[in-house]
Amino acid sequence: DAMVIQNPRYQVTQFGKPVTLSCSQTLNHNVMYWYQQKSSQAPKLLFHYYDKDFNNEADTPDNFQSRRPNTSFCFLDIRSPGLGDAAMYLCATTPGWGQETQYFGPGTRLLVL
Amino acid sequence: GDSVTQMEGPVTLSEEAFLTINCTYTATGYPSLFWYVQYPGEGLQLLLKATKADDKGSNKGFEATYRKETTSFHLEKGSVQVSDSAVYFCALFTPAAGNKLTFGGGTRVLVKP
Repeated sequence: DAMVIQNPRYQVTQFGKPVTLSCSQTLNHNVMYWYQQKSSQAPKLLFHYYDKDFNNEADTPDNFQSRRPNTSFCFLDIRSPGLGDAAMYLCATTPGWGQETQYFGPGTRLLVL
Repeated sequence: GDSVTQMEGPVTLSEEAFLTINCTYTATGYPSLFWYVQYPGEGLQLLLKATKADDKGSNKGFEATYRKETTSFHLEKGSVQVSDSAVYFCALFTPAAGNKLTFGGGTRVLVKP
């Protein structure tokens, strides 16, 4: 029973070429998060949506954008990937605000050539 | 601000050995505490959680007790298997922190046959 799905699992892009990562969920959760994780470090929160309300972390580079067209889907757009953006990108959801347990997808590993 | 400190790895054990991973935290208010596990190439999976002092979370042979007096949430397993090789993240959640998870740095565990 896939709950949080991320596609693709592996993505290769070229330096400066825009790339989009996708996340979908079958849980009907209101809150969706995007994290960046490098080399088994702790995940770093980039932004999250509460329903359609977008919340950007203060230190998230402008190069990273997100879209949430409906409850089920959320996209991470990297406008001009640099070598330093190579990482695992994790999507997570929670049922609603104040719900502390986050459910993570399997992640997309991004390689920038 | 909130923070989580975990023992640094890697921790290398033989199969059937006892595992302890120390985790201490600093938080305002009364956090919920979590252990997440990340297997190679995968996303994070919730291993166990505890939401109030003296609660014990348990799952798959792992246990952790919420100790408010020592601000700790140490993870233990009595007899590890090779399949327990993974990175383990301690995390906390407080609504006061904006409904975000605060992660420790992660501890890599390698179990040898």
